Amino acid sequence: EAAVTQSPRNKVAVTGGKVTLSCNQTNNHNNMYWYRQDTGHGLRLIHYSYGAGSTEKGDIPDGYKASRPSQENFSLILELATPSQTSVYFCASGDALGGQNTLYFGAGTRLSVL
Amino acid sequence: GEKVEQHESTLSVREGDSAVINCTYTDTASSYFPWYKQEAGKSLHFVIDIRSNVDRKQSQRLIVLLDKKAKRFSLHITATQPEDSAIYFCAASMNTGYQNFYFGKGTSLTVIP
Repeated sequence: EAAVTQSPRNKVAVTGGKVTLSCNQTNNHNNMYWYRQDTGHGLRLIHYSYGAGSTEKGDIPDGYKASRPSQENFSLILELATPSQTSVYFCASGDALGGQNTLYFGAGTRLSVL
Repeated sequence: GEKVEQHESTLSVREGDSAVINCTYTDTASSYFPWYKQEAGKSLHFVIDIRSNVDRKQSQRLIVLLDKKAKRFSLHITATQPEDSAIYFCAASMNTGYQNFYFGKGTSLTVIP
């Protein structure tokens, strides 16, 4: 079974502080994604990556940076956290190779910015 | 870019009845349509998908229909059970080597015993 691990699971941050959300996958997938989930908006893509060293902007990248230092790890960085970034964040990995298209999601990180 | 509209935000059915969730998409290049389930307080997991080369797929009690002309696809859950209660997300993708998935807003399904 594919595994995606997110840390921390819960985080309380202060406005203006720096927050780093980490994601590790053991699936050897090329593609990794960061989504946020908000009521009324569903899942929205923040950043994604298709391999080590690559990061791309998704639909709502403002206020977020991403880092993919290795195949396994993909981080989401909030340099100056704001209350509007309070949300649940999901990391996912996937690969279209060999016809496998399934996304595997982590357990999520609940972030509160006060 | 692609926009996926999920038409029912909430849905309640009686146990044993069928539930239908409808989604539409805008980009004719989309060719892969997965569905994900999120149980209360948990993460999302894959339940079923359909590719554009077929118009129907079934996996046990789950049926997915695809109408490419109307750019519409739907999830049918037959003989619903209380454990089917969850949020269901539809998504669309172009099924290329690199993929971006566009999700609907989710449908909260409640199965009433």
